[in-house]
Amino acid sequence: ETGVTQSPTHLIKTRGQQVTLRCSSQSGHNTVSWYQQALGQGPQFIFQYYREEENGRGNFPPRFSGLQFPNYSSELNVNALELDDSALYLCASRDRRYNEQFFGPGTRLTVL
Amino acid sequence: SQKIEQNSEALNIQEGKTATLTCNYTNYSPAYLQWYRQDPGRGPVFLLLIRENEKEKRKERLKVTFDTTLKQSLFHITASQPADSATYLCALLTSGGSYIPTFGRGTSLIVHP
Repeated sequence: ETGVTQSPTHLIKTRGQQVTLRCSSQSGHNTVSWYQQALGQGPQFIFQYYREEENGRGNFPPRFSGLQFPNYSSELNVNALELDDSALYLCASRDRRYNEQFFGPGTRLTVL
Repeated sequence: SQKIEQNSEALNIQEGKTATLTCNYTNYSPAYLQWYRQDPGRGPVFLLLIRENEKEKRKERLKVTFDTTLKQSLFHITASQPADSATYLCALLTSGGSYIPTFGRGTSLIVHP
């Protein structure tokens, strides 16, 4: 059984650019969530996808968008990057029937 | 306003002792409470889930209590080891929040040999 994987592991962008982060869910998991974690803080929920549709969103602006594909992998897109977007971006997958989430290792995004 | 509070100061204990971490919350009615472990630069790892109608849950050296009257959960690690050193996060899940976890900021545990 393969766990949750994310790519890339690290990324450096400049303000105003766009970024796409990728996540492969754990086998058999149909729900994927994305979180932003700033240094010294807990993960903050961005949005959740179930069967390719967004079914929950946190307090993040529309420039944060996502996709889920038929194989349940997912992308997080962030447009018009700001300095405060620098954080660890975490993807988590689960079987919708259960509340246990499995997190990936994260992508460390630095915006200069 | 809704708050989840975990001690921001690191907890330092000696190997072999019991570590106790606290999670307090206000203005939530959680259906579930979860505890996660997070190592530096890594994603959180799920440890335990406790339901609102459960008082206590155990798993090996771990014990979680949940007091919905006090609005508090305690997380215990018995016979602690240096390998237990990490940040521990609590997360609340509510029906109003579609059971999406809302995390506290975590408490760092350092176990000294």
